[in-house]
Amino acid sequence: NAGVTQTPKFRVLKTGQSMTLLCAQDMNHEYMYWYRQDPGMGLRLIHYSVGEGTTAKGEVPDGYNVSRLKKQNFLLGLESAAPSQTSVYFCASSFPGKKEQYFGPGTRLTVT
Amino acid sequence: AQTVTQSQPEMSVQEAETVTLSCTYDTSESDYYLFWYKQPPSRQMILVIRQEAYKQQNATENRFSVNFQKAAKSFSLKISDSQLGDAAMYFCAVYNFNKFYFGSGTKLNVKP
Repeated sequence: NAGVTQTPKFRVLKTGQSMTLLCAQDMNHEYMYWYRQDPGMGLRLIHYSVGEGTTAKGEVPDGYNVSRLKKQNFLLGLESAAPSQTSVYFCASSFPGKKEQYFGPGTRLTVT
Repeated sequence: AQTVTQSQPEMSVQEAETVTLSCTYDTSESDYYLFWYKQPPSRQMILVIRQEAYKQQNATENRFSVNFQKAAKSFSLKISDSQLGDAAMYFCAVYNFNKFYFGSGTKLNVKP
């Protein structure tokens, strides 16, 4: 039982490049979330999903897209990376009734 | 939008002593949940304690307890008998309508 995993753990991009972050969970959770963490700002919600095939915007969705084609996977895409997207990205998942989130280990992304 | 405020960016405590971390929040909802998460240098987010807003009794988990003041919208975390392993960033979070809102965090230092 791996819990929530994120791929990759580290990545360096040049401005304008694209990439996809993968989040996978093996706990059969319905809900999945993508956050970014910046110094002094805590975690901010980018996008989330309450079930396979559904997604919704969070607090800071601009510049990101997501897809939830399979229940266990939640992908975060950056179409044209900008230095302002340098951050640590966390994925989390939960059951609807439990409210408790389980977090992945994070991905450190640097955009130069 | 809901806001979560942690007014203490950094705190220190002597090993075996007690420390209280503060958190206030702003929500117009009556049904919500409150959490404290710990983030050690490993970056992994770990749930410390949770509180349902409809419950008057304060939650307790071993050395961790909360002081929940619903009318004042205050949710502080008390750590008793502090240990070196308690050194970490601590985040307060509010859950409502499928989304979590996090504070900016308090860095806790534990002195031997």
